[in-house]
Amino acid sequence: GAVVSQHPSWVICKSGTSVKIECRSLDFQATTMFWYRQFPKQSLMLMATSNEGSKATYEQGVEKDKFLINHASLTLSTLTVTSAHPEDSSFYICSARDLASGSAGELFFGEGSRLTVL
Amino acid sequence: AQSVAQPEDQVNVAEGNPLTVKCTYSVSGNPYLFWYVQYPNRGLQFLLKYITGDNLVKGSYGFEAEFNKSQTSFHLKKPSALVSDSALYFCAVRDTMDTGRRALTFGSGTRLQVQP
Repeated sequence: GAVVSQHPSWVICKSGTSVKIECRSLDFQATTMFWYRQFPKQSLMLMATSNEGSKATYEQGVEKDKFLINHASLTLSTLTVTSAHPEDSSFYICSARDLASGSAGELFFGEGSRLTVL
Repeated sequence: AQSVAQPEDQVNVAEGNPLTVKCTYSVSGNPYLFWYVQYPNRGLQFLLKYITGDNLVKGSYGFEAEFNKSQTSFHLKKPSALVSDSALYFCAVRDTMDTGRRALTFGSGTRLQVQP
């Protein structure tokens, strides 16, 4: 299947700093990527839909100024957690659908990024 | 609105026995249905999907799922479980009528524990 690369896998930062997480589709193009957040022993909650060349669409309750999303190319989306606080500690997972597969295509997921804010 | 329910937090099965992980869904139109598996501290791996056609879908690692429209279910099955199948399983849905939402909605997950 298609490969989505997510970096970094683990990051520890101090409270008040910003952290950038990258999501790349390695062998396909994606006009849309999705950022999910997963709390321990819980399901995936959609945070936002990243749209290539335009603004991201955020889910209700997700602060767009705190979770900055940039989708500058067909293979790269970034999530920046700004002024991180301990409650932002979580497992962040990105996913993408191959542009060529259409709306019925499955999502391919990155390996996730575990953020710990001290 | 679209939603998915996985009624069991955990399923325990002995190695070699058949396994079933349950999933029901709710959509306005027709569903696209998916099963994913997650190992600890990893992303999700795609197992199989139902889009249209044959109600019985075969996927990776010997897994299959049966789409039942009348019961709005999409249970995951495997004839003979392996210890290595132990993981967290997620059912997901996308409503074909909801053209504005392109992401998948996930169930709460079911932990499968296969005992040797």
